[in-house]
Amino acid sequence: GEQVEQLPSILRVQEGSSASINCSYEDSASNYFPWYKQEPGENPKLIIDIRSNMERKQIQELIVLLDKKAKRFSLHITDTQPGDSAMYFCAASVGGSNAKLTFGKGTKLSVKS
Amino acid sequence: EAAVTQSPRSKVAVTGGKVTLSCHQTNNHDYMYWYRQDTGHGLRLIHYSYVADSTEKGDIPDGYKASRPSQENFSLILELASLSQTAVYFCASSAPRVDQDTQYFGPGTRLLVL
Repeated sequence: GEQVEQLPSILRVQEGSSASINCSYEDSASNYFPWYKQEPGENPKLIIDIRSNMERKQIQELIVLLDKKAKRFSLHITDTQPGDSAMYFCAASVGGSNAKLTFGKGTKLSVKS
Repeated sequence: EAAVTQSPRSKVAVTGGKVTLSCHQTNNHDYMYWYRQDTGHGLRLIHYSYVADSTEKGDIPDGYKASRPSQENFSLILELASLSQTAVYFCASSAPRVDQDTQYFGPGTRLLVL
């Protein structure tokens, strides 16, 4: 099945700096790549996603890049704030279906003020 | 926002006992999922369902059964609970249409097997 590798597992940044999380996948048929944010004791919530017909997508301070040739995608959070501290998960669709996702193991982001 | 509820929110079970986790969604979504979350493993898919009365095996189905009696309800059943099944379990739902396929997660159920 699809495998998604996510790095780093822990990321500590200073408030106001940028944070980057990288994911790679194996299945060239994957076409949907969502990112979820999970705060302690809460459920995962979608923050941004990108489909295979795009290379870049931005929502406010969140930027997602997709390199289909390299089978890599990444999340960049610009001007980080303490409220950005959380677990972040990337995911990739299994094959061409957007119904089934494989998740990375997560990145714990800590933003220090 | 989409509404997915789970019950119970936490449970302590004994090894070898039967555990049923329930999920209910009011989003009119066709797809429903059960994931487990363990530290260091992220979210792993146990079972999922595209339509009522039908379930599919996910990536880690061993030791679990699923039941989808209606579009709104999806249960996860542990017939013989084991220590290794201690985890947080999340239910999710989504619509099959592209651009409406965000998976919405329930609040989770913390299961402790002793």
